[in-house]
Order: sequence, then structure tokens, then C-alpha cells
Amino acid sequence: QVQLVQSGAEVKKPGASVRVSCKASGYTFIDYYLHWVRQAPGQGPEWMAWINPRSGVTSYAQKFQGAVTVTRDTSISTTYMELSSLTSDDTALYYCARGYGRTGRLQQWGQGTLVTVSS
Amino acid sequence: QSVLTQPPSASGTPGQRVTISCSGSTSNVGSHAVNWYQQLPGTAPKLLIYSNNQRPSGVPDRFSVSNSGTSASLAISGLQSEDEADYYCASWDDSLNGVVVFGGGTKLTVL
Repeated sequence: QVQLVQSGAEVKKPGASVRVSCKASGYTFIDYYLHWVRQAPGQGPEWMAWINPRSGVTSYAQKFQGAVTVTRDTSISTTYMELSSLTSDDTALYYCARGYGRTGRLQQWGQGTLVTVSS
Repeated sequence: QSVLTQPPSASGTPGQRVTISCSGSTSNVGSHAVNWYQQLPGTAPKLLIYSNNQRPSGVPDRFSVSNSGTSASLAISGLQSEDEADYYCASWDDSLNGVVVFGGGTKLTVL
């Protein structure tokens, strides 16, 4: 079955960077877009970026352009999301999700990675 | 401020039919399928309906959608207590290199 397993919780200081990984299994990695979505406490999901694992092409929400970098390693079916210049506003659960082409259909989600930014 | 607009709350009694609206623009809802997600407390969002009216395995047919121009609606018939959750709409948007946009969410309360 399709599984997306994310790396563990992180605690970072303001100004630092964080990298979250998402390892996919149960399907052909390069056949499906992978998305990153975050959810701050008490807020709704906020879409951040997608990557086409086949080509490496990415797209970022305007808000995150320049602050987020999404990459992938096809040899280990893993995608990475790096967020830089962290502030307390970046404290959130970060999810990866498998998408279907150029749609908003995110059918499988990882378990989420809690990133806490605190001095 | 979310790109897609949803009412913050909705409510109904068991057995009732409730609807949740989602309003967007020509670059998203007006051009692309709307997808709906259900989120229970402490869990990841779960895909509820995609491609306008397709349900993943296990989602009951009490959930349905309708679309009109740049708006969409999720309807839940035969409301059950287990339907109490947050509901989000999402769509592809043609801006930039193609992005996904979410609604701000609707908290459904079963009275």
C-alpha cells in the first residue's frame, strides 16, 4: 500500500533552517507529484509547494518563494522540504502528500512532522 | 486570507442535509476540479471527494458535490455525529507554474 513516512519532530531557533524528509513506498515514485502542506496550530492547511519527481520541476506558493526549496532523490524515493530563516510563525505540522498530476487531489498524506521554532 | 472562500461554520442535526460552499475564481474553481477534504481532530486531512464528484474507497455516498461557475458546494445528507469535523475545499490554480489553493475551512457541528 502507498506509504509516505516523514522524518521526526524538529525544534529550531529563529533564523535557522529546517529540512524535512518524506520517503515514499508502495508505488512508482516518479509517477506522482509530491506536495508539501503545512498546518499551524488551530489553522487550516496551507499549500507550500509541489515537485514532479520525474523531472525535478517544482512550483512554490508565492508566499514561500525564496524561503522554501523542495528536492528529491529518486534513488531512495524521497523528497525533501527545506525552509530557511525560520520565525515563530513557521511553527506548524508539515505534511507531504501524493498528488495526481496537475490537480488539487492529494490522496495520501504523510504522518506529519512538527516543526517548533522557539528561542 | 485564503484564495478559496468557505463559511467558517455550519451545523445540523442528525439526519439533516447540510451544504458547505466554496467560492473561487476563473483561474481555479472555474477551470479545475474542486477537491474536498475532511479533517478530524489530531489527524491529517483526508481526501473526501475529488474530480468534482468521485469518492475514494470507503467514503459513503452521503457526500456529494455540485458546481456552478466559480463556486462549488459539498452536500452531506443523512448527517451523522461522526461527520463532525473540519472540511476544506482545494483546487489547482493556473497562477505561477501551477499551484494548489485551499479554502479556509468550515467547522461542521452536529447538534
